[in-house]
Amino acid sequence: GESVGLHLPTLSVQEGDNSIINCAYSNSASDYFIWYKQESGKGPQFIIDIRSNMDKRQGQRVTVLLNKTVKHLSLQIAATQPGDSAVYFCAEVAPGYSSASKIIFGSGTRLSIRP
Amino acid sequence: GAVVSQHPSWVICKSGTSVKIECRSLDFQATTMFWYRQFPKQSLMLMATSNEGSKATYEQGVEKDKFLINHASLTLSTLTVTSAHPEDSSFYICSASTRTDSNQPQHFGDGTRLSIL
Repeated sequence: GESVGLHLPTLSVQEGDNSIINCAYSNSASDYFIWYKQESGKGPQFIIDIRSNMDKRQGQRVTVLLNKTVKHLSLQIAATQPGDSAVYFCAEVAPGYSSASKIIFGSGTRLSIRP
Repeated sequence: GAVVSQHPSWVICKSGTSVKIECRSLDFQATTMFWYRQFPKQSLMLMATSNEGSKATYEQGVEKDKFLINHASLTLSTLTVTSAHPEDSSFYICSASTRTDSNQPQHFGDGTRLSIL
């Protein structure tokens, strides 16, 4: 069945360094992907999205890369800060995007920052 | 904008009781609302999709008689966990979407922590 998964369940990064979180997806028909950040006891927070007609998109301190050939996504966080500590999920929006489209979440990576 | 509020944020109740969780879109009309469940250290799993004025569509393995969903207005959906048992203890998260919002497909609430004793 369809699935979105992550290579690393936990990631520890030195404050100030860059973080890279990876994700693999299985549905080659997927054309819209989102990265979410979830802090403890809260709901997911939208970080950045990318559509399949792009291979890179940049936001403030974050970059998402999409490799459709190998069905791989990554989230890069520049100059990681203590406030970046959270669980990060990649997510796949069901093909044929509409207001009723399902979002399928990956298994998540916990990012912890070393001072 | 696009704020989704859940109530209560935390509830503890005895086994066998029913618990109702509310999900409100505060500043927009939500044509579709979604309910997710998240166990500790796990991902969000979609339970059901509800559209205003119609029956909810449940994901495979989710008991519709156990998890009653009502979406009576464009700003409110409720999830009732009936005859709750300890295994129903989880973090329940709702989200809402609107046809007119193109910024994000869904806006998430901050979840309800349900603990069944």
